[in-house]
Amino acid sequence: SQQGEEDPQALSIQEGENATMNCSYKTSINNLQWYRQNSGRGLVHLILIRSNEREKHSGRLRVTLDTSKKSSSLLITASRAADTASYFCATDAGGSNYKLTFGKGTLLTVNP
Amino acid sequence: DAGVIQSSRHEVTEMGQEVTLRCKPISGHNSLFWYRQTMMRGLELLIYFNNNVPIDDSGMPEDRFSAKMPNASFSTLKIQPSEPRDSAVYFCASSLYGNTEAFFGQGTRLTVV
Repeated sequence: SQQGEEDPQALSIQEGENATMNCSYKTSINNLQWYRQNSGRGLVHLILIRSNEREKHSGRLRVTLDTSKKSSSLLITASRAADTASYFCATDAGGSNYKLTFGKGTLLTVNP
Repeated sequence: DAGVIQSSRHEVTEMGQEVTLRCKPISGHNSLFWYRQTMMRGLELLIYFNNNVPIDDSGMPEDRFSAKMPNASFSTLKIQPSEPRDSAVYFCASSLYGNTEAFFGQGTRLTVV
């Protein structure tokens, strides 16, 4: 079963706007990761945030993690049409269980 | 490095036939994952290997599915006999260590007719 669940399932915005996607998970984790998948392709890693971190930045990406609420958010600022893709959060199962499970993803469409 | 290599992008097989998917992880990575992706169920983890040893196969749907990793550079996922409901995109991924960044192959789209 999925550990993480993304919200919303789909998001449509205009180029230049910010996009925020959320992820909730069920059990304790060591870290949480965000991935991107373009249609018909494999997933590509975007960013990893450890359980003792609260916020992390990478270029136009900002990730937050709230372990008390078991939730994370991914913010893409100044979106571009090329950001159109599905975005997934992935978590391990905590402790020494490193299996990586994914949510069902958020489909982001950035309209030019 | 060429990344994670999956031996084929598309496989078509008839119901009841055996199908084997193949994966070459990135050299030096000690963790390997097999996933199945469908519209209905999303990306499901089937099995996870660490240092060639299966650690968690709780996601393998039934006995028709089996996976092996005979050495650090090769893994297979076999479905025998295949059924139409097995139609999906199957991804192999590897990571340096368990829950670090995972690198995905391009996926194999399996169609069972």
